[in-house]
Amino acid sequence: AQSVAQPEDQVNVAEGNPLTVKCTYSVSGNPYLFWYVQYPNRGLQFLLKYITGDNLVKGSYGFEAEFNKSQTSFHLKKPSALVSDSALYFCAVRDRTGANNLFFGTGTRLTVIP
Amino acid sequence: GAGVSQTPSNKVTEKGKYVELRCDPISGHTALYWYRQSLGQGPEFLIYFQGTGAADDSGLPNDRFFAVRPEGSVSTLKIQRTERGDSAVYLCASSLNAGAGGYNEQFFGPGTRLTVL
Repeated sequence: AQSVAQPEDQVNVAEGNPLTVKCTYSVSGNPYLFWYVQYPNRGLQFLLKYITGDNLVKGSYGFEAEFNKSQTSFHLKKPSALVSDSALYFCAVRDRTGANNLFFGTGTRLTVIP
Repeated sequence: GAGVSQTPSNKVTEKGKYVELRCDPISGHTALYWYRQSLGQGPEFLIYFQGTGAADDSGLPNDRFFAVRPEGSVSTLKIQRTERGDSAVYLCASSLNAGAGGYNEQFFGPGTRLTVL
């Protein structure tokens, strides 16, 4: 079985400060991991993915995420938050040997305060 | 280039009616997915197509839901005898050939908001 946990429904951060959005996962094998962002009235936009190799992956808009196998985590980070980063963020996972569909977390709403 | 498009953007129907939701994937993407997103939740998988065939329909909640992709491009999600609990945003996504690896990212459309009164 596959699952994703995003323990924080809401994250608030001041503009210019670093931000972290947490994600932990559970799969039976090795994972593929993804982050998506959802703006109001718009579809999910792909930010970044971990497939293999370097545990630190860099994505769109200055975001990065670190894969930690021992902690089964894939936290999303950005060194300096922008007000325009305010949105709903979803972590997703799929098992390398399982179904092709993604399992999503329940989302974390990020609010960057000017 | 053009992204994934979905029509209609909003659909309001009455309980018991039949609805069709359309998805037009990115050109050249052979894999197509349907998800359903309820308020406050992440998207939940419904069905996956590889080309014209439904490779995995394990997420369809019951036999009122059906999807087709007859020419391997546009897909239609069909819901019969709609119920109030079917109200949600229905998302379509496409990707390059998922294949055995399946790590190509999925590109999502804006969704169709279905409201069943």
